[in-house]
Amino acid sequence: GEDVEQSLFLSVREGDSSVINCTYTDSSSTYLYWYKQEPGAGLQLLTYIFSNMDMKQDQRLTVLLNKKDKHLSLRIADTQTGDSAIYFCAEGGGGNKLTFGTGTQLKVEL
Amino acid sequence: GAGVSQSPSNKVTEKGKDVELRCDPISGHTALYWYRQSLGQGLEFLIYFQGNSAPDKSGLPSDRFSAERTGGSVSTLTIQRTQQEDSAVYLCASSSWTSRGQPQHFGDGTRLSIL
Repeated sequence: GEDVEQSLFLSVREGDSSVINCTYTDSSSTYLYWYKQEPGAGLQLLTYIFSNMDMKQDQRLTVLLNKKDKHLSLRIADTQTGDSAIYFCAEGGGGNKLTFGTGTQLKVEL
Repeated sequence: GAGVSQSPSNKVTEKGKDVELRCDPISGHTALYWYRQSLGQGLEFLIYFQGNSAPDKSGLPSDRFSAERTGGSVSTLTIQRTQQEDSAVYLCASSSWTSRGQPQHFGDGTRLSIL
């Protein structure tokens, strides 16, 4: 079945880059997504990438996809305290539901 | 409305009671999804609607859970005879269904607590 894994925690200093990693198992995944969740809130869509792409850049966000290794990463440049949140990667392929990772808690320190 | 709206935002009820959770999707979005977020299980898919029909109900955990959608818009998720393990945040999402991969946009969720 589908499985999506992420590391649980990441701590960075303000102004540094953050890299959040994700691995997935479903080779039929056609789209991969990154969502951000702040305390008490729902999931905010950050960006998504089609599986035939290697990279997508959107302002401070860069998504890299290694389809061979089923590895996805989200790089946040110039990380700010407002970026502190939980980040979920999700894959959507077979069917219309999303399968989410466990989430990575990003803590940005001054 | 501008985004997905869910109500109530918080619900506290006693074990054994029935609860109804409401989701109002983004206007024009034909696909609607329910997910559950709990500490032990993470984010789990419950059910998906395309229009008023539910092609995928595979995530509903038991027959105490049901959902409907009317007029291709508002959806309600009903939990009968609630149990403590039903305590979770119930998230609704919607997407436009013009092609596969349309991103899902989420509401802020309903935090359900069963005493």
